[in-house]
Amino acid sequence: ETGVTQTPRHLVMGMTNKKSLKCEQHLGHNAMYWYKQSAKKPLELMFVYNFKEQTENNSVPSRFSPECPNSSHLFLHLHTLQPEDSALYLCASSQAGGDTGELFFGEGSRLTVL
Amino acid sequence: QKEVEQNSGPLSVPEGAIASLNCTYSDRVSQSFFWYRQYSGKSPELIMSIYSNGDKEDGRFTAQLNKASQYVSLLIRDSQPSDSATYLCAVNHGNKLVFGAGTILRVKS
Repeated sequence: ETGVTQTPRHLVMGMTNKKSLKCEQHLGHNAMYWYKQSAKKPLELMFVYNFKEQTENNSVPSRFSPECPNSSHLFLHLHTLQPEDSALYLCASSQAGGDTGELFFGEGSRLTVL
Repeated sequence: QKEVEQNSGPLSVPEGAIASLNCTYSDRVSQSFFWYRQYSGKSPELIMSIYSNGDKEDGRFTAQLNKASQYVSLLIRDSQPSDSATYLCAVNHGNKLVFGAGTILRVKS
């Protein structure tokens, strides 16, 4: 495996379900990110982790809960989501302390909330 | 006011023509600027970065930056159908990377 891998690629869940998105990077980076991409809207930064520590929470509702057990893995735990949370969730990584514009993205997890 | 603004398009150009994609940003202190390309159903990939006023060329791509006008552009020479994608402008605001909504480019053969 190379680059940034996200699973699952597609997820359909009801509003009362609990699910998790997983991201793994094989680039030796120390910064990892969650972004939300909705149709015709800019990418929205959700969370940033540097060296496993959360350094950014962009006013994300508590129904989204991130977890970063080590520099290579990032999770997004989902519970009691709303239909408007349906979107593409992108994980990215970069060199911590480097240019934060040089992000490497995974292929994304397409989430549908019924 | 949106932090990073792009015309959503679609911008249609014939094969072989120059495609010009534009972006304006609101934060005057931004120092780093990026262009990402996103094919339909795929994730964004970085294609150009620019930090100083003027032009930066990489193959068929040229990024142009004018900090006084808070304007950054991407020129694609000899456009190919494979260049058809959404192009995202991204700007560093503090320690965050802020994206525009993207411009759809269609290159017609």
